[in-house]
Amino acid sequence: DIQMTQSPSSLSASVGDRVTITCRASQSISTYLNWYQQKPGKAPKLLIYAASSLQSGVPSRISGSGSGTDFTLTISSLQPEDFATYFCQQSYSTPRTFGQGTKLEIK
Amino acid sequence: QVQLVQSGSELKKPGASVKVSCKASGYSLTSYPINWVRQAPGQGLEWMGWINTNTGNPTYAQGFTGRFVFSLDTSVSTAYLQISSLKAEDTAVYYCARADWLGAWFDPWGQGTLVTVSS
Repeated sequence: DIQMTQSPSSLSASVGDRVTITCRASQSISTYLNWYQQKPGKAPKLLIYAASSLQSGVPSRISGSGSGTDFTLTISSLQPEDFATYFCQQSYSTPRTFGQGTKLEIK
Repeated sequence: QVQLVQSGSELKKPGASVKVSCKASGYSLTSYPINWVRQAPGQGLEWMGWINTNTGNPTYAQGFTGRFVFSLDTSVSTAYLQISSLKAEDTAVYYCARADWLGAWFDPWGQGTLVTVSS
């Protein structure tokens, strides 16, 4: 199975900050990498697919990049609604696997 | 709009069974695969497997064979997850999620169904 490791596990930041979350795969997955946002008590929401494609309706301050084993999710200017937990997920092979999550909290 | 609506929370005793439903609307259920994902309390996301909504053929991740069954009723645009011989460690929120036609990314997700197993 492909292991996905996110860093950091948690992050404190302020509104307006630029933040970056990293996801590393245990082997090369090309650009088969997706990002989700989850708020407490809610289902995950797709943000980015295929490493860098922005899902419809997702604000452009959110972006994704990377290929191979190293990927990043960047939020250019944090807004109050961005405080949530973020998960990466590989779709290179089955079983599909997720990172452990990064909790983004208000400083 | 495209959405998946799941059945409500369940409280079950160890050894019982539960069937979670996932009703698709806004699109044809048979056009895209349905995946199932488990989230134990305070934990991350765990992929359970998927069902080919054209053929009804399920694929289960390791750890989800034997007691877990994915099924469909296309006449009512609904996918199901049945778990038998429930254990305390099955306590979790179970999500269904539509995959793209490659089965790569998941969107949308159902709202989740909390299954609590307790005596």
